[in-house]
Amino acid sequence: GENVEQHPSTLSVQEGDSAVIKCTYSDSASNYFPWYKQELGKRPQLIIDIRSNVGEKKDQRIAVTLNKTAKHFSLHITETQPEDSAVYFCAAKGDTGRRALTFGSGTRLQVQP
Amino acid sequence: NAGVTQNPKFQVLKTGQSMTLQCAQDMNHNSMYWYRQDPGMGLRLIYYSASEGTTDKGEVPNGYNVSRLNKREFSLRLESAAPSQTSVYFCASSTDRGAGELFFGEGSRLTVL
Repeated sequence: GENVEQHPSTLSVQEGDSAVIKCTYSDSASNYFPWYKQELGKRPQLIIDIRSNVGEKKDQRIAVTLNKTAKHFSLHITETQPEDSAVYFCAAKGDTGRRALTFGSGTRLQVQP
Repeated sequence: NAGVTQNPKFQVLKTGQSMTLQCAQDMNHNSMYWYRQDPGMGLRLIYYSASEGTTDKGEVPNGYNVSRLNKREFSLRLESAAPSQTSVYFCASSTDRGAGELFFGEGSRLTVL
């Protein structure tokens, strides 16, 4: 089955700096890669996703890049703000085998004011 | 719309007791999922139901059973609870077999003594 590895497990940045979280996946058939944000005590919520026919996608201060050859994808947050502090999860899914998302282990991002 | 509703929100069990976690969604989604979340391990898939009438094992199905009662409801049962099942359980639903946004419930915190 799919295996998703996520790094780093914790990340601390100063307000205004950029943050980058990286994930690798094992199943070359995976074609959908979402990112979820989970604030303390809350449910995970989708913040951005990318499909395999696209190399990059942006939404205001967040962007995701995908390298299918290397089987890795990354989340980029620019101009970080204290409200970006949360746990971020990457995930992957393909059209064959288990038809459900496999999640990475999460990155706890702390934005220092 | 309430979205995805889980009950109970909190539960304490003794080893060997049984219980059922209830989940219902009002978004007319075909697919429903049960994940467990443990510190440092992300979200791990227990079982999922790609459509009404079908269920499939995820990454960590041992010790659990599920029932897709109808299109709206997907329950998770622990027949004989063990301390290793202490976790936060999230139910989720999606329109498109995982390749679309997952909508999560608020989570159910289970402690097994």
